[in-house]
Amino acid sequence: GAGVSQTPSNKVTEKGKYVELRCDPISGHTALYWYRQSLGQGPEFLIYFQGTGAADDSGLPNDRFFAVRPEGSVSTLKIQRTERGDSAVYLCASSTPSHNEQFFGPGTRLTVL
Amino acid sequence: AQTVTQSQPEMSVQEAETVTLSCTYDTSENNYYLFWYKQPPSRQMILVIRQEAYKQQNATENRFSVNFQKAAKSFSLKISDSQLGDTAMYFCAFMRGGATNKLIFGTGTLLAVQP
Repeated sequence: GAGVSQTPSNKVTEKGKYVELRCDPISGHTALYWYRQSLGQGPEFLIYFQGTGAADDSGLPNDRFFAVRPEGSVSTLKIQRTERGDSAVYLCASSTPSHNEQFFGPGTRLTVL
Repeated sequence: AQTVTQSQPEMSVQEAETVTLSCTYDTSENNYYLFWYKQPPSRQMILVIRQEAYKQQNATENRFSVNFQKAAKSFSLKISDSQLGDTAMYFCAFMRGGATNKLIFGTGTLLAVQP
């Protein structure tokens, strides 16, 4: 079956612009996670959805970052007024109700010039 | 707060040989899970192996096995009969059991398998 997909695969933007990153989880997976991976680092947790609601958004770095999952499937990570420090690979993962194994997408590489 | 430490930034092994990647973690939790993920240049994170903390038996998946030392908070990955396709970044990760299931990752070990 289809895995987790993320679009776009690469995004280049200018400082101060707004960007949206999309994640399509595996069908039937109720849990969805966003992580950010900076160069040479492991992924860092941003936010976790259970269904439509954000169960844990403690990893969002500031109020420029926001994520939604209005119908409990596709999720969009939104970044306002982008800064050069936001440049990273943004990874999405989804899992079943047991939550033990997370399946990752290929990520979106965001570059802020 | 939980932390995961991988002290080997890079490792190298000859094809067909065995290599062990180290990982230590810190937690006060008693119910948790540990994972090893592989990330090739394609960026796709792939689960290699997982271990439930309540299980004493070390997990094994084909050529991959772990040495889980709960008291020492150590979780090393052994790769036997290394293959060129094993070349990748390897991340150790911790997940607390219960309602919040975020993964906490180490900084990774870059493994190069030499022909």
